[in-house]
Amino acid sequence: DTAVSQTPKYLVTQMGNDKSIKCEQNLGHDTMYWYKQDSKKFLKIMFSYNNKELIINETVPNRFSPKSPDKAHLNLHINSLELGDSAVYFCASEDRGGTDTQYFGPGTRLTVL
Amino acid sequence: AQSVSQHNHHVILSEAASLELGCNYSYGGTVNLFWYVQYPGQHLQLLLKYFSGDPLVKGIKGFEAEFIKSKFSFNLRKPSVQWSDTAEYFCAVKTGGGNKLTFGTGTQLKVEL
Repeated sequence: DTAVSQTPKYLVTQMGNDKSIKCEQNLGHDTMYWYKQDSKKFLKIMFSYNNKELIINETVPNRFSPKSPDKAHLNLHINSLELGDSAVYFCASEDRGGTDTQYFGPGTRLTVL
Repeated sequence: AQSVSQHNHHVILSEAASLELGCNYSYGGTVNLFWYVQYPGQHLQLLLKYFSGDPLVKGIKGFEAEFIKSKFSFNLRKPSVQWSDTAEYFCAVKTGGGNKLTFGTGTQLKVEL
């Protein structure tokens, strides 16, 4: 069983389009994250949700909107895609107060043409 | 804000050589420290972590790391690398009580046969 899963794995789209990436965890964790990994492999946190509430919102353009319908899911919607949005997006989940360790999904490689 | 430095960006070793990857962080308070590995085309996997106690921590696949508080360092070591250790290695720090994980820029390790 995959602990943290993301769909799709690859996403190729045109500039200006709107797209969504989905993340689900079956670990029973209460906190989830989105990270962006750029072409130089640098990982930067974007958002964090704890029990469906936004707790971290780094300086991310408001074209990016996370949504957490329940604590097992954290989706990322991106409006008006730009070339610079091309990256690998990783979802992670964490059992805060328990292991305090983040477990990562397989990543979604987004290519904006 | 905390930051993490990984000074070795690219490391090339022959099989059976010893490995040490440097990691330094800048934060004066309590920290939780992590090493993650990303094999080609895969997601990040936790190698080991340090929260408290014995500063020498052992992880999976024969890796270990030593926390030296006076040097703000958490270097990763392995006595004898294998070709399958070829991957990107990330050091990360979380400051005490927080949930934001800050990553270093990563070290690309290539092990040659």
